[in-house]
Amino acid sequence: DGGITQSPKYLFRKEGQNVTLSCEQNLNHDAMYWYRQDPGQGLRLIYYSQIVNDFQKGDIAEGYSVSREKKESFPLTVTSAQKNPTAFYLCASSDTDDQPQHFGDGTRLSIL
Amino acid sequence: QKEVEQDPGPLSVPEGAIVSLNCTYSNSAFQYFMWYRQYSRKGPELLMYTYSSGNKEDGRFTAQVDKSSKYISLFIRDSQPSDSATYLCAMRGKTSGSRLTFGEGTQLTVNP
Repeated sequence: DGGITQSPKYLFRKEGQNVTLSCEQNLNHDAMYWYRQDPGQGLRLIYYSQIVNDFQKGDIAEGYSVSREKKESFPLTVTSAQKNPTAFYLCASSDTDDQPQHFGDGTRLSIL
Repeated sequence: QKEVEQDPGPLSVPEGAIVSLNCTYSNSAFQYFMWYRQYSRKGPELLMYTYSSGNKEDGRFTAQVDKSSKYISLFIRDSQPSDSATYLCAMRGKTSGSRLTFGEGTQLTVNP
């Protein structure tokens, strides 16, 4: 089945630790996105990538990093510089950046 | 002030009711409008995708856009308990690379 796979479903981070969230898609989409979802705030864009080996900061990129070495993969690292990382993280992809976005089922990150 | 305003609810209706969900927006550059459905602990699922003003129907769902009033609606006819979810509106401008702006979502419960 074609889709977007995010792993793990739940993740716990210790103080001072970097963690990486995985996002893989087999839809052959060019564009990929990372969002953060918090109660009462909707989805906020962290980073996006329109093509392989290129990515841009979104509205809340501080404390996060990404890479796009392969078309199907767009991992997100939550660094220790992100002081409030507890949230639901959603990865999305679209055929091109002006087509509708389709989402994975998210990773819930919590602090130990 | 947020670019997209959406009443978070919660909204509770009996099975079979007609549900009306709404968003208002302030950015006149928005041209593409989407509705997503999000079940608990899942990613958003694209329900409706419309361009500019007018109506679009898909089964029990009707999306309506009134650009003159900067107001979009999603109607659900013959609502079912399986429609219980959070509904997110999203919109973007016409130019390639325009970012998607989301409402915070309306939580809907359909009671059997």
